[in-house]
Amino acid sequence: AQSVTQLGSHVSVSEGALVLLRCNYSSSVPPYLFWYVQYPNQGLQLLLKYTTGATLVKGINGFEAEFKKSETSFHLTKPSAHMSDAAEYFCAVSDSRYSSASKIIFGSGTRLSIRP
Amino acid sequence: DAGVIQSPRHEVTEMGQEVTLRCKPISGHDYLFWYRQTMMRGLELLIYFNNNVPIDDSGMPEDRFSAKMPNASFSTLKIQPSEPRDSAVYFCASSATSGRALDTGELFFGEGSRLTVL
Repeated sequence: AQSVTQLGSHVSVSEGALVLLRCNYSSSVPPYLFWYVQYPNQGLQLLLKYTTGATLVKGINGFEAEFKKSETSFHLTKPSAHMSDAAEYFCAVSDSRYSSASKIIFGSGTRLSIRP
Repeated sequence: DAGVIQSPRHEVTEMGQEVTLRCKPISGHDYLFWYRQTMMRGLELLIYFNNNVPIDDSGMPEDRFSAKMPNASFSTLKIQPSEPRDSAVYFCASSATSGRALDTGELFFGEGSRLTVL
């Protein structure tokens, strides 16, 4: 069975500082990995995804994540935080054997706050 | 292109009343999902459909909850009777199976229906 763990339910950084949101997964098969972002009063939207190939994945709004198989991690980073990055971020894992979203497992989410 | 459309955005009702939430998925998507989001439990998958057929409803909390998808462009989630513990944000999401080798099944979410049961 697959699972995903997000370390830290709340992360606070200063504007301009590095953003690091941690995600570890468990999967017995090669995973597909996702980061979704949820802005206040909105639904989730895809930030970036890893399927195969390059392990460093770039997403929207300057975010990127690196798939590290040896560490079973898929941490999300952004070099310089902006006030508009304040949101809830969800890491998710999917079984790569399936071609649908029916097996996506979401983490519990990390709320990112940005200090002026 | 229009995204996933949910209605109502906000619903306040009294305990015991029937609640119906509605969803229009993205045209051409063959999967539809209903999620519930609460502070305590996070994001929970309630049920999902493939080609209008319910595939897995194991996440539906109890018999008071029911979901239908009469056609490819419409789904409902009904709670009858509603209880205060049903208060949550309910999300509908849709996805497509394109058949491509690298299809990842990305989910497209609606903006949610915030339900408050008094």
